[in-house]
Amino acid sequence: RKEVEQDPGPFNVPEGATVAFNCTYSNSASQSFFWYRQDCRKEPKLLMSVYSSGNEDGRFTAQLNRASQYISLLIRDSKLSDSATYLCVVNFNTNAGKSTFGDGTTLTVKP
Amino acid sequence: NAGVTQTPKFQVLKTGQSMTLQCAQDMNHNSMYWYRQDPGMGLRLIYYSASEGTTDKGEVPNGYNVSRLNKREFSLRLESAAPSQTSVYFCASSEGGLAGVSYEQYFGPGTRLTVT
Repeated sequence: RKEVEQDPGPFNVPEGATVAFNCTYSNSASQSFFWYRQDCRKEPKLLMSVYSSGNEDGRFTAQLNRASQYISLLIRDSKLSDSATYLCVVNFNTNAGKSTFGDGTTLTVKP
Repeated sequence: NAGVTQTPKFQVLKTGQSMTLQCAQDMNHNSMYWYRQDPGMGLRLIYYSASEGTTDKGEVPNGYNVSRLNKREFSLRLESAAPSQTSVYFCASSEGGLAGVSYEQYFGPGTRLTVT
């Protein structure tokens, strides 16, 4: 079983739709969680950190459920520019903050 | 402030050739990382360095060596390239150090390597 698992998709949604991605992790000692965005053939970039209390940044909401060991990302009012691959990242806060990346979920927003 | 830079951007090698991928960061970060990403797949950690003078193996270290030259620079060397090493290589850095404190990672633009 992978340490971090994501539904690979692809998710194809119309503009304006709401879409949610889930990510599960296996190590209950995990401490830090992030969502990254990766555009085609580009480097990953931090989208947002995920806090226990949940956090929101504009149209994006991230939530953490420690009991069930999953993280979610909700995108409201999808834009064409949201089309990308979204990577779930989990850090166990050991060994230099070494992170484990999920394989990513691909989102395509269509007109 | 350039962030994380990588050279070269593209490289084609013949099987058995060697090369070094260069990475530098100007954010005074403690930790640096090398990943590879194969088509349609996630990032896999090759090596990382918690601080200047230390390096550790990641998930897929075979066929690679690294050098943390100083706090800014972390190089990845392929001693004898193989077709299975065809991939996109990303370097990243973060504030996190030996204490294991977790911070977000900042990535370079990548090196696209083809081994024929």
